[in-house]
Amino acid sequence: GQNIDQPTEMTATEGAIVQINCTYQTSGFNGLFWYQQHAGEAPTFLSYNVLDGLEEKGRFSSFLSRSKGYSYLLLKELQMKDSASYLCAVRTGEDDYKLSFGAGTTVTVRA
Amino acid sequence: GAVVSQHPSWVICKSGTSVKIECRSLDFQATTMFWYRQFPKQSLMLMATSNEGSKATYEQGVEKDKFLINHASLTLSTLTVTSAHPEDSSFYICSAPLFIHRSTGELFFGEGSRLTVL
Repeated sequence: GQNIDQPTEMTATEGAIVQINCTYQTSGFNGLFWYQQHAGEAPTFLSYNVLDGLEEKGRFSSFLSRSKGYSYLLLKELQMKDSASYLCAVRTGEDDYKLSFGAGTTVTVRA
Repeated sequence: GAVVSQHPSWVICKSGTSVKIECRSLDFQATTMFWYRQFPKQSLMLMATSNEGSKATYEQGVEKDKFLINHASLTLSTLTVTSAHPEDSSFYICSAPLFIHRSTGELFFGEGSRLTVL
């Protein structure tokens, strides 16, 4: 089976930086995704990494190390609206596009 | 705007009845769609892969006869929960990969359907 681990909860202050780690052990690897999910809503795409290194997109950055089976999502200049669950997901197949998801990290941003 | 639309958003039904959930791709063709289920404070669990014009592929442990999937056109997949019971109450989400210039085939999700079985 697929094993994708991430912390359950994190709390940070508005304006701060938070790093959400994700480790994975999967039968294959064809890319790692980060999604944001607000309570009661569907997930929305944040980032995609398939090669080692850092991908930056505005206040959000995502890092991947394939040799270590490790990724992190970095959220800078936190805003209240960033309070949500952040899901790490791995695409394991080469020909299909289904994703295996971690349990999600609930980030709470405090004023 | 949304690229995948799901309907209904909320549904409450009596135990033993069947419920149909629709998932539509907007302005693009989706030969493949995925159906996920999410229980409170848990992650998304893949239920099945919906394939246009052929049978769905179910994940291990998912009952094919209980969760009927039909992908009759390139823009519509339906999930029917047959003879629903309270333990089927969950958040059901469909998704489809979108392939456009510079995209990665990331999944776009519908708005989700919250099913409550009384």
